[in-house]
Amino acid sequence: QVHLVESGGGVVQPGTSLRLSCAASGFTFSSYGMHWIRQAPGKGLEWLAVISYDVNGEYYADSVKGRFAISRDNSKSTVYLQMDSLSLEDTAVYYCARSRPGSSWYGGDYWGQGTLVTVSS
Amino acid sequence: EIVLTQSPATLSLSPGERATLSCKASQSVSSYLAWYQQKPGQAPRLLIYETSKRATGIPARFSGSGSGTDFTLTISSLEPEDFAVYYCQQRNNWPPLFTFGPGTKVDIK
Repeated sequence: QVHLVESGGGVVQPGTSLRLSCAASGFTFSSYGMHWIRQAPGKGLEWLAVISYDVNGEYYADSVKGRFAISRDNSKSTVYLQMDSLSLEDTAVYYCARSRPGSSWYGGDYWGQGTLVTVSS
Repeated sequence: EIVLTQSPATLSLSPGERATLSCKASQSVSSYLAWYQQKPGQAPRLLIYETSKRATGIPARFSGSGSGTDFTLTISSLEPEDFAVYYCQQRNNWPPLFTFGPGTKVDIK
C-alpha cells in the first residue's frame, strides 16, 4: 500500500534553514508528482509546492516562492523541501502528498502523517 | 489568486442527518475541485476529486457537485466517523497552483 513518511522536522531558530524529507513506498515513485502542504497549529491547510514526476517542473505558492525549494531523488523514492530564512510564521506540521494518478499536476491523494517544524527563538 | 470560502464554519448535526457543505470561489474555477476530510491528529484524506468523483474506498454517502464558483459536498446520512473538518481545494488551470478553503467543522449536536 502507499506509504509516505516525512522526517527532518524539529525546533529551529528564526533565520535558519531546514530540509524536510518524505520517503515513499508502495508505488512507483518515479511516475508520480509530489506535493508539500503545511498546517499551522489550530489552522487550516496551506499548499506549498508541487514537483513533476520527472523533475522537469515545479511550482510554488507565492507565500514561499524564493524561500522554499522542492526537489526529489527518484533513485531514493524521496521528495525534499528545503526551507530557508525560516520565521515564526513557518511553524507548522508539514505534509507530503502524492499527486493523483494521471498527471503530476493533479491534487494529492495519499498523504503522509506529517512532521512538525517549530521556529522559535 | 482564487480565494475559496467555505460555509458554514461549523455545522452541528446528529448522526443520520444530512450534511450540506458549501465551497464558493472568488472566480470561476476549473473542474479541479476536491474535498478532503481531516480528523484530529490525522492527515487529511481525499474524499472527492474533479468536483464529483469519489476517491478510492470512499463510501457512497459522500457526493460532490457544482460548477463555476459554487460547489457542494453532501453527506447523505452522517455516520459517527464523519464528524471531522472538511476542506475544499482548487487548482488553477495553469500554472498548477493550489488553494484550500478555510474548512467546515462538522460536529455532533
